[in-house]
Amino acid sequence: LAKTTQPISMDSYEGQEVNITCSHNNIATNDYITWYQQFPSQGPRFIIQGYKTKVTNEVASLFIPADRKSSTLSLPRVSLSDTAVYYCLVGELYNQGGKLIFGQGTELSVKP
Amino acid sequence: DAGVIQSPRHEVTEMGQEVTLRCKPISGHNSLFWYRQTMMRGLELLIYFNNNVPIDDSGMPEDRFSAKMPNASFSTLKIQPSEPRDSAVYFCASRPGLAVYEQYFGPGTRLTVT
Repeated sequence: LAKTTQPISMDSYEGQEVNITCSHNNIATNDYITWYQQFPSQGPRFIIQGYKTKVTNEVASLFIPADRKSSTLSLPRVSLSDTAVYYCLVGELYNQGGKLIFGQGTELSVKP
Repeated sequence: DAGVIQSPRHEVTEMGQEVTLRCKPISGHNSLFWYRQTMMRGLELLIYFNNNVPIDDSGMPEDRFSAKMPNASFSTLKIQPSEPRDSAVYFCASRPGLAVYEQYFGPGTRLTVT
């Protein structure tokens, strides 16, 4: 499983766009990039997954450059309720039955 | 669907006592995962099952920890004897199948061992 590196913490204000970048220099050909969100006192929640280029859903967008050595999770117009820890994970879709290895995550704090 | 159900939500016990954590996965999901989260070590995978069979238990800390999945709708994680360093939040997660990467996490059980 590829190692990931992401900022430990980020601050933002309500209404701003937040971009969290994750580095995964050793990503393998069969690896997918997945992001989870964890609110305080809750379990992690799947946000978005992608392989290359751009993926968008109702919650976020995921940008993946051509070399796939990094990815950026973009949260449009954040609100106070987006305060959470965001985890970037990289691994094969079918690898080992879907085993997930969580890193330290990025603690996003949204201020009014 | 009620989502993944875990019980109890909070558990306080004394060192040396046996602790049993319970999990009911989402109906139809055939993969189940147990995680532990602490401030020091973050979120760690302890063990996971596919179709009720343990696939990888390399994350289980030591012999004091054991997990079972007697059927598709129930799993337990047991700690015997418990120690203060086992204090953590324990999460259970389930997944629909091998072709899906998304895991659905339960609310967790906060365990405190005094």
